[in-house]
Amino acid sequence: AQRVTQPEKLLSVFKGAPVELKCNYSYSGSPELFWYVQYSRQRLQLLLRHISRESIKGFTADLNKGETSFHLKKPFAQEEDSAMYYCALSGRSSASKIIFGSGTRLSIRP
Amino acid sequence: EAEVAQSPRYKITEKSQAVAFWCDPISGHATLYWYRQILGQGPELLVQFQDESVVDDSQLPKDRFSAERLKGVDSTLKIQPAELGDSAMYLCASSLVLAGEQYFGPGTRLTVT
Repeated sequence: AQRVTQPEKLLSVFKGAPVELKCNYSYSGSPELFWYVQYSRQRLQLLLRHISRESIKGFTADLNKGETSFHLKKPFAQEEDSAMYYCALSGRSSASKIIFGSGTRLSIRP
Repeated sequence: EAEVAQSPRYKITEKSQAVAFWCDPISGHATLYWYRQILGQGPELLVQFQDESVVDDSQLPKDRFSAERLKGVDSTLKIQPAELGDSAMYLCASSLVLAGEQYFGPGTRLTVT
């Protein structure tokens, strides 16, 4: 079964500390992985996708097929990073739908 | 900057009543998605359109939910009759092509009493 698991509902870290938001997935085949973010009073938006291998707003995520994980990391947290983060996956075909995890609320303390 | 529009933003209805939501995607976006997001969970796809055709409606409760995108532009999602368990945020998203980056609307928060 296709599934995305985000084990932490809430993660609170101090400004300047490293951040790691965990995401594990279950998928038979080669999925495409994403991180979406929703800032307060804003729309859900794409943060990054693993195929682009970009660093967005200082965040990176590496796909680990052996551990079936796609953790989101940032070396130094900033207050503006406080938001709801959703990990998601889809299949490689154009008709594949996206499956979202339940989300992790990241709170950055000053 | 072009955005996905949704209306209404909030809707309160009594159970057994009918309710409808509207979505206007970004101009030129061929793919349109309706999601339901229950509090504390991630969005769950209800239906996906490519132009005016349904690509995936496997999670749409078809006994009470219906969706249409008649001219391949804007779309309506209807619930009839509404049940207490339908209380949720209903999100619309669009993408230029299938499997492309999705752009989300602000959502409609439905409360069924």
